[in-house]
Amino acid sequence: DTEVTQTPKHLVMGMTNKKSLKCEQHMGHRAMYWYKQKAKKPPELMFVYSYEKLSINESVPSRFSPECPNSSLLNLHLHALQPEDSALYLCASSPGSGSGRDTQYFGPGTRLTVL
Amino acid sequence: RKEVEQDPGPFNVPEGATVAFNCTYSNSASQSFFWYRQDCRKEPKLLMSVYSSGNEDGRFTAQLNRASQYISLLIRDSKLSDSATYLCVVPSTASKLTFGTGTRLQVTL
Repeated sequence: DTEVTQTPKHLVMGMTNKKSLKCEQHMGHRAMYWYKQKAKKPPELMFVYSYEKLSINESVPSRFSPECPNSSLLNLHLHALQPEDSALYLCASSPGSGSGRDTQYFGPGTRLTVL
Repeated sequence: RKEVEQDPGPFNVPEGATVAFNCTYSNSASQSFFWYRQDCRKEPKLLMSVYSSGNEDGRFTAQLNRASQYISLLIRDSKLSDSATYLCVVPSTASKLTFGTGTRLQVTL
C-alpha cells in the first residue's frame, strides 16, 4: 500500500483564520514532507521531517507551522495567511534511508484558497 | 545551467505515436533519477525510477546518459490517457528533490 492521505481536500479560509492541514501514511516511512504547488509550476519544498524531527525548513514564513505528532502523522498549522498563499499543498513520505534513492510518495493534496 | 531543465512543451501527438522527452541535470554526482506523472489538479505519481543506464516498463522507457548529464523518457504507442505533465526529478541531497518545470503532453485522436 503506497497511500498517503490528506485532509481536507479543499479549504477556504480568511486571512484571520487559524486552520490545520493533516497528512497520514501507514507505510512505515520515517521521512515526511510538505510542498506548496502553484498552478503550472513544480512543487516547492517547504519542510522535511526525518524521524519525527524537523530537518529542513526552506525559509518558510512563520505563518506556516509544521508539526509531526508521531511517525505516521504530519500537520501544517496555518495562521494569518495571505491571498498569495493560495495553492495546492502536498504532503509526501519516503522511507528515510538517507541513501538518496528513496522514492517520495505524494498525497492527493489540499487545495487552499485564502480570501 | 539550471539544476534540472526540461522543455515545457506542450507536445501534441496523435494516438499511437512515439514521443520522447529529455531532461538535463547539472549535478554530475547525482545517482538516482525519477520521472513523475502529474495530471491536472492532481498529485505527482511516480512513473519510473532510474538508477543505472535505464529502465523499461511496458510502453515506457527511461534512459540515462551520465556523460551528457541527461535522462530521457520514451513513450511508445501513446494513449489518450497518457496526456499529463511529466516531471523530471533529481535528488539534490538525501532528502531533497529538485523538480524540473515539467513537460506537458497532449495525446489527441
